[in-house]
Amino acid sequence: AQRVTQPEKLLSVFKGAPVELKCNYSYSGSPELFWYVQYSRQRLQLLLRHISRESIKGFTADLNKGETSFHLKKPFAQEEDSAMYYCALNVNNNDMRFGAGTRLTVKP
Amino acid sequence: GAGVSQSPRYKVAKRGQDVALRCDPISGHVSLFWYQQALGQGPEFLTYFQNEAQLDKSGLPSDRFFAERPEGSVSTLKIQRTQQEDSAVYLCASSLGFGGVAYEQYFGPGTRLTVT
Repeated sequence: AQRVTQPEKLLSVFKGAPVELKCNYSYSGSPELFWYVQYSRQRLQLLLRHISRESIKGFTADLNKGETSFHLKKPFAQEEDSAMYYCALNVNNNDMRFGAGTRLTVKP
Repeated sequence: GAGVSQSPRYKVAKRGQDVALRCDPISGHVSLFWYQQALGQGPEFLTYFQNEAQLDKSGLPSDRFFAERPEGSVSTLKIQRTQQEDSAVYLCASSLGFGGVAYEQYFGPGTRLTVT
């Protein structure tokens, strides 16, 4: 079955600390993975996708096929990073499977 | 444009009523997606349109759910005989190209449906 698991519903770190949001996936084919973010009172938006190998707002995510993971990392968290983060897996080119999300709080 | 818009933003329906949720995608976007997001969960895929063609409706939970996009722009998600388990936020997203891999999906603000 194709699914995405985000084991932490809540994650709290202090400003300046490193942060890692975990994402594990189950998919028999070649995975296409994404991270979406939803800031308070804003709509869901794309943060980054693994095929681009990009760093957005200091965040990076590396696909590890051996561990079937796509963890999101940032070396120094900022207060404005506080948001809801969703890991997503693209299935069949149009069916996006989302994880349940992790609420990140960065404390001052 | 102003992005994807959805109306109404909030809808309260009595159990058994029919509801219609509207999505206005970004002008020129070929693909349109509907998702259902229950409280504390991530969005779950419902259906996908490429222009006016509904290419995938595998996520629709029952035959009470129906979606259309007759002219390839505005889309309506209709839920007949609403049940309490239909209470959720319904998200619409659109993208410029075909499918969700190469093209970013832009999300609307959602419609929060509460069935009493």
